[in-house]
Amino acid sequence: EVQLVESGGGLVQPGGSLRLSCAASGFIFRSYAMNWVRQAPGKGLEWVSFISSTASAIYYADSVKGRFTISRDDARDSLYLQMNSLRAEDTAVYYCARDGAEVATPYFDNWGQGTLVTVSS
Amino acid sequence: SYVLTQPPSVSVAPGKTATITCAGNNIGSKSVHWYQQKPGQAPVLVISYDSDRPSGIPERFSGSNSGNTATLTISRVEAGDEADYYCQVWIINPDHRGVFGGGTKLTVL
Repeated sequence: EVQLVESGGGLVQPGGSLRLSCAASGFIFRSYAMNWVRQAPGKGLEWVSFISSTASAIYYADSVKGRFTISRDDARDSLYLQMNSLRAEDTAVYYCARDGAEVATPYFDNWGQGTLVTVSS
Repeated sequence: SYVLTQPPSVSVAPGKTATITCAGNNIGSKSVHWYQQKPGQAPVLVISYDSDRPSGIPERFSGSNSGNTATLTISRVEAGDEADYYCQVWIINPDHRGVFGGGTKLTVL
């Protein structure tokens, strides 16, 4: 069974930093591209970032480009999101999501339960 | 930027058919995926590649995609289908990025 477990969320002041982690199990992590998707309170889903299985391709939403960094550690079956220069509008539940596409454009076939990030003074 | 437009809400009586649309410029040329999200839960993939159902998703869920509109159809709607539904595509020009529709709240009357 595919499992994705996020951690690292919490309360942070504007301008601060936070590092999210996603522990994967139940599948061969190194074979899959991964994503972060977020959802602000009461709002819809917003794609944040993508990393390919080999980390050779990395993409970001314009809203986080230059502030967030996605990475992976295949030895630890883990995905990360380093978030710097946080803003109030980054407040959201952050989901780790596996890419279900093998060769086609990405989609999200398995999701974690999410971790809440609150940016507030 | 590429925009996907969904109706904010759809209401349907139990046993009837619900239709949720997702409009986008020439969306028929893209692969569309649909997600169901119940309150307090993570999203779940219900349709991939326009019309494919992942294992475990009831046959009552189906999808289509043509022209400027993709459609999620739920037949014989049950109370347990009440949820938010999101469509999603992936854009590669000018930059690679994921795009979600704004979501549709399905209410079972």
